[in-house]
Amino acid sequence: GAVVSQHPSRVICKSGTSVKIECRSLDFQATTMFWYRQFPKQSLMLMATSNEGSKATYEQGVEKDKFLINHASLTLSTLTVTSAHPEDSSFYICSARDPFSYNEQFFGPGTRLTVL
Amino acid sequence: QKEVEQDPGPLSVPEGAIVSLNCTYSNSAFQYFMWYRQYSRKGPELLMYTYSSGNKEDGRFTAQVDKSSKYISLFIRDSQPSDSATYLCAMFQGAQKLVFGQGTRLTINP
Repeated sequence: GAVVSQHPSRVICKSGTSVKIECRSLDFQATTMFWYRQFPKQSLMLMATSNEGSKATYEQGVEKDKFLINHASLTLSTLTVTSAHPEDSSFYICSARDPFSYNEQFFGPGTRLTVL
Repeated sequence: QKEVEQDPGPLSVPEGAIVSLNCTYSNSAFQYFMWYRQYSRKGPELLMYTYSSGNKEDGRFTAQVDKSSKYISLFIRDSQPSDSATYLCAMFQGAQKLVFGQGTRLTINP
């Protein structure tokens, strides 16, 4: 299957700082990428849909000024958690849709964010 | 009522057993059905992808879709300890977002 990478895999930061997470599709061009959040022992919660060259679409209840998403190229989307607080600590996972493979969606390995 | 229902388990079976994982859904517009496997602290890995009713087999895994009953299944034959993970069903229509089940935690005991 296609490969999606995320960087960093783990980040620890102080409260009030901003953290940027990168998501890359390595062997296909993804016009659409998705950002999820996952709490322990729970399923994935979609935060936003990121379309290349346009503004992201956020799910209800997700603060767009808190979670900034940029999808500047067909292979890269970034999620910036601004002014992070301990309640933002979570597992963040991106996925990319392959438009040339029946819209299959491939996930990155995830980024574990811990805010102290 | 959730759009996709999946028993969260946990499910524990002995090595070599046949495992059956199931999801039901309410939206008849769903066209594409996926099963993902997620190991602890890792991203989900796509296992099976189907877009029609019937069975699809890949090695020890068989995905089954019954659109008339709005019911999908994943069967694992000759289960191995390495199959221990959380299994997520997911589905979507057109170019819409994925809708996930809650995930079933599976443990295969040696």
